[in-house]
Amino acid sequence: QQPVQSPQAVILREGEDAVINCSSSKALYSVHWYRQKHGEAPVFLMILLKGGEQKGHEKISASFNEKKQQSSLYLTASQLSYSGTYFCGTVLRGSQGNLIFGKGTKLSVKP
Amino acid sequence: DTGVSQNPRHKITKRGQNVTFRCDPISEHNRLYWYRQTLGQGPEFLTYFQNEAQLEKSRLLSDRFSAERPKGSFSTLEIQRTEQGDSAMYLCASSFPGQTFGYTFGSGTRLTVV
Repeated sequence: QQPVQSPQAVILREGEDAVINCSSSKALYSVHWYRQKHGEAPVFLMILLKGGEQKGHEKISASFNEKKQQSSLYLTASQLSYSGTYFCGTVLRGSQGNLIFGKGTKLSVKP
Repeated sequence: DTGVSQNPRHKITKRGQNVTFRCDPISEHNRLYWYRQTLGQGPEFLTYFQNEAQLEKSRLLSDRFSAERPKGSFSTLEIQRTEQGDSAMYLCASSFPGQTFGYTFGSGTRLTVV
């Protein structure tokens, strides 16, 4: 039931773009995205509820393809502050609503 | 509001001892969640409450783990007869009710079992 994230890690130069993918083998009700910096708690970025929904947060946006049970997180013109581990979390359709997290994608932005 | 508060921040215990952690959620949030995170992994769901009712508990959670949320405010997570495999960061989060809100996480309690 755990969603699968790819890639596992990515290294960027400041200003470059990145895409992080999250896929599930089961039907999804929603997808959450969080960022966690080393030694800190995960911080909520956004939630996607409807198929095809796209949301934005500063230069970070995400899409949700309900039919494919996939979500993608887009980071454009990356900044040093974007470094951290990004987790997607999924709520399955018909579940009690608990959020199941993927293993994470470690993003490193270099100057 | 100061966010989600967890105590203690760190706990070192000997194998076989019992430990208890506390979580104080954001006061307006009536949902409270417990997760466990090990190095290099995503948070692993343990259990969650809506008010004082425990709505779901992970099947992976052994009987040595128990959580309470008396009066629907703070919550405690107890681990009995700790094992070395219990060493992890224990995260608490809270949210508004329903499935349309993100979670606010606390800073966690790091448990080391020696």
